Amino acid sequence: DTGVSQDPRHKITKRGQNVTFRCDPISEHNRLYWYRQTLGQGPEFLTYFQNEAQLEKSRLLSDRFSAERPKGSFSTLEIQRTEQGDSAMYLCASSLVQANTGELFFGEGSRLTVL
Amino acid sequence: GNSVTQMEGPVTLSEEAFLTINCTYTATGYPSLFWYVQYPGEGLQLLLKATKADDKGSNKGFEATYRKETTSFHLEKGSVQVSDSAVYFCALFTGGGNKLTFGTGTQLKVEL
Repeated sequence: DTGVSQDPRHKITKRGQNVTFRCDPISEHNRLYWYRQTLGQGPEFLTYFQNEAQLEKSRLLSDRFSAERPKGSFSTLEIQRTEQGDSAMYLCASSLVQANTGELFFGEGSRLTVL
Repeated sequence: GNSVTQMEGPVTLSEEAFLTINCTYTATGYPSLFWYVQYPGEGLQLLLKATKADDKGSNKGFEATYRKETTSFHLEKGSVQVSDSAVYFCALFTGGGNKLTFGTGTQLKVEL
């Protein structure tokens, strides 16, 4: 399978714990995006990388959230001191900057449940 | 800023019925417009797109026309099938923003 893969697919944690999600994009894709989707809503942009550089962060990304893409390949999204409001599906997507068409390839998402 | 407004769901139709899901947008510049679909248990996938005014995107029997004058990109299908049951998201992309902005999604249920 050469699509975008995310791990874990589902994480249940207690309030106050830290969680980390991993995304492996399509291998030749140099852009990587993180979105958050809550029930009944569309995906909301969190941040994106071009290669290893984080080029934009949404206001939704509080200081408890940090994302990295250290070698320009896989990315991690860490949430510290989780809150119940962080419960959502976290989506990763990748694309080619050369295309810059808006066609993003999405993974199946990592669902976070904070108890 | 950029925004997308979709008709609320769920939309419930009988098989072979005509489908329209309305989408309007607000954007600076000249966006590209998209419909993404999310089937149960699967990730978002691109359904169709249009990159400039009056373009028509089409795929799997679905169509949408980029209407700049009405800032709309309505999704249509002449005859829906049970397998079309999914959540449909309208989205826009601007080269300056480098990211997709999504609507809230419209759930479609097709019954026999």
